Amino acid sequence: RKEVEQDPGPFNVPEGATVAFNCTYSNSASQSFFWYRQDCRKEPKLLMSVYSSGNEDGRFTAQLNRASQYISLLIRDSKLSDSATYLCVVVDRGSTLGRLYFGRGTQLTVWP
Amino acid sequence: DAGVTQSPTHLIKTRGQHVTLRCSPISGHKSVSWYQQVLGQGPQFIFQYYEKEERGRGNFPDRFSARQFPNYSSELNVNALLLGDSALYLCASSSDEGIWDGYTFGSGTRLTVV
Repeated sequence: RKEVEQDPGPFNVPEGATVAFNCTYSNSASQSFFWYRQDCRKEPKLLMSVYSSGNEDGRFTAQLNRASQYISLLIRDSKLSDSATYLCVVVDRGSTLGRLYFGRGTQLTVWP
Repeated sequence: DAGVTQSPTHLIKTRGQHVTLRCSPISGHKSVSWYQQVLGQGPQFIFQYYEKEERGRGNFPDRFSARQFPNYSSELNVNALLLGDSALYLCASSSDEGIWDGYTFGSGTRLTVV
C-alpha cells in the first residue's frame, strides 16, 4: 500500500469553479502535512501547510483529519493560472528533519 | 538570496555510464535531500544529509550514492546507468525545522539515459 494516495484526475474545470482534491495517508504517526504545486516540467513549490484546525490562504483552504488520515485542498474561484499538478505531501516522524512522502499528484486544468 | 541551485539542468547519458549531479542549498540550510521523479509520479526519496552525515536512505539500489560537503553542498552519484534512471532529480533544502516549515526544491536535473 502506498504511503500517500491521491486521485490523479485529471480535473478539468471552468474559470470561477470550486474544485476539491483529496488525499489519504497510511502512517498514523505522520507529523507534518503540505500541499505542493508543480507546473509542467518544473520543480514542486510549497503551496501551503496543513493543520488540524484547517488553514486558509486566499482562495485556498486546506484541511487535515487525523482520525481518518485524510487531507483536502479546496480551491475557490479557479483561475487559469491555477492549472498545475497538486501534490499531497506527508512528513515521516522517523527523523527530526523528516522524509517527504509524495502522492502521485492531481492534475488540474482550468479552462476559460 | 539564491534559492536551491542544481547543476546541470539537463543531461543525456548512455546506459552503463556514470553521472554526478550537484546541489547547493539555500544559505544557512544544513540539510539536503535528493528525490527522483519519473514522469507521471510524485517524487521518491533517495537520500537525506545533514551536517555531512547520511540521515536517511530510500529504497534505491547501491548504484546510487551521495555525499555532503563542509559547505553543505551535495553530490548525487549514479553508476551503471539504466534506462529506468531517466527522471527529474530534485534536490531539497531545509532548515533545522524543515519538518514544520516545508522544504524548498531546486529546479532539478533532467536526466535522460539512452
